[in-house]
Amino acid sequence: GAGVSQTPSNKVTEKGKYVELRCDPISGHTALYWYRQSLGQGPEFLIYFQGTGAADDSGLPNDRFFAVRPEGSVSTLKIQRTERGDSAVYLCASSESQGKQYFGPGTRLTVL
Amino acid sequence: KQEVTQIPAALSVPEGENLVLNCSFTDSAIYNLQWFRQDPGKGLTSLLLIQSSQREQTSGRLNASLDKSSGRSTLYIAASQPGDSATYLCAVTYSGAGSYQLTFGKGTKLSVIP
Repeated sequence: GAGVSQTPSNKVTEKGKYVELRCDPISGHTALYWYRQSLGQGPEFLIYFQGTGAADDSGLPNDRFFAVRPEGSVSTLKIQRTERGDSAVYLCASSESQGKQYFGPGTRLTVL
Repeated sequence: KQEVTQIPAALSVPEGENLVLNCSFTDSAIYNLQWFRQDPGKGLTSLLLIQSSQREQTSGRLNASLDKSSGRSTLYIAASQPGDSATYLCAVTYSGAGSYQLTFGKGTKLSVIP
């Protein structure tokens, strides 16, 4: 079956702009995770959804970052007033409750 | 805070050699440990997952071991091939984290020279 998909694959924006990154998880997976990977680093946890609710948002760096999953499937990560330091690859993963996480290809965000 | 360290940061070996990648973690209260492969510009592919009650897992030429008490895991790759060239990431799930989020190391970049 289809894996986790993320759109866009690349996003270039200007400092101060608003961006939305989309994640389509594997069908039937109830858990969804967002991670951020900076150059030369491992991915860092941002937020976890179980169903429609954000069960753990402790990894969000500040209040410019927000994510939703209104119908318990597709999720959108929203970043307001982007800064150059937000440039990174944003990875999404899904799993069956507490199972193995399957990762999407990521969205490379560049803030100029 | 759980921290994961991977040594070495980069490794270059000739084709056919056996090699070991190392991973250490600071808190032994883990739920599981995973090894991932990441190719340039790509997402992560899970290679092996070891539950906290297990000592090792094998898949083809790959063998991963886990020693919870010492906070260490190793990934053994037998008879390396150029196609094995990639960054290998170790990640743990801390049993105290209700979200089962993964905590990653920075990775080991492997180059297998033909």
